Amino acid sequence: GAGVSQSPSNKVTEKGKDVELRCDPISGHTALYWYRQSLGQGLEFLIYFQGNSAPDKSGLPSDRFSAERTGGSVSTLTIQRTQQEDSAVYLCASRRTSGGGETQYFGPGTRLLVL
Amino acid sequence: QQQVKQSPQSLIVQKGGISIINCAYENTAFDYFPWYQQFPGKGPALLIAIRPDVSEKKEGRFTISFNKSAKQFSLHIMDSQPGDSATYFCAASRGGATNKLIFGTGTLLAVQP
Repeated sequence: GAGVSQSPSNKVTEKGKDVELRCDPISGHTALYWYRQSLGQGLEFLIYFQGNSAPDKSGLPSDRFSAERTGGSVSTLTIQRTQQEDSAVYLCASRRTSGGGETQYFGPGTRLLVL
Repeated sequence: QQQVKQSPQSLIVQKGGISIINCAYENTAFDYFPWYQQFPGKGPALLIAIRPDVSEKKEGRFTISFNKSAKQFSLHIMDSQPGDSATYFCAASRGGATNKLIFGTGTLLAVQP
């Protein structure tokens, strides 16, 4: 079956511009996560969506970052007024929550470069 | 505050050798400890995971050893192969609604033929 997909694969933008990153989770997975992977670093949790519950935004680094999940499926991460330190790989993961599923399945990521 | 510390940062092993990567955690509320494997240009993929009620879990050539009292866990790759060359991340999460993963900083493994 299809895995988690993300688009675009790569994004180059100029400082100060807004960017939108998209994630399509695995069908039927109700939990969705965004992580950020900076060069040479581990993955940093950004935000979590579960069904219709309020998202856990505790990992968002600033108010320039926001995310939404429409219809319990596709999610968009938006970064406003991008800064050079936002350059990183943004990874999306989804998880099946029924039956005690714990495994998070990651997409290939969007590589963002802010010039 | 880094809640999961991983070492070494990089590792070179000869083909057929044993690769060992170590992690230590601080939060005793963690109850799920996965290891992820990441190839260049790809997202991380779950390799093996363990819960603290067991001290060891083995899947093929991959083994997790878990020491609850020391708050440490490690990944052992037996008979390491060049195809195992990748970055390995340990992680931890605690039960609850979010189950967000706290990751170590990764280990770049190179298996030489």
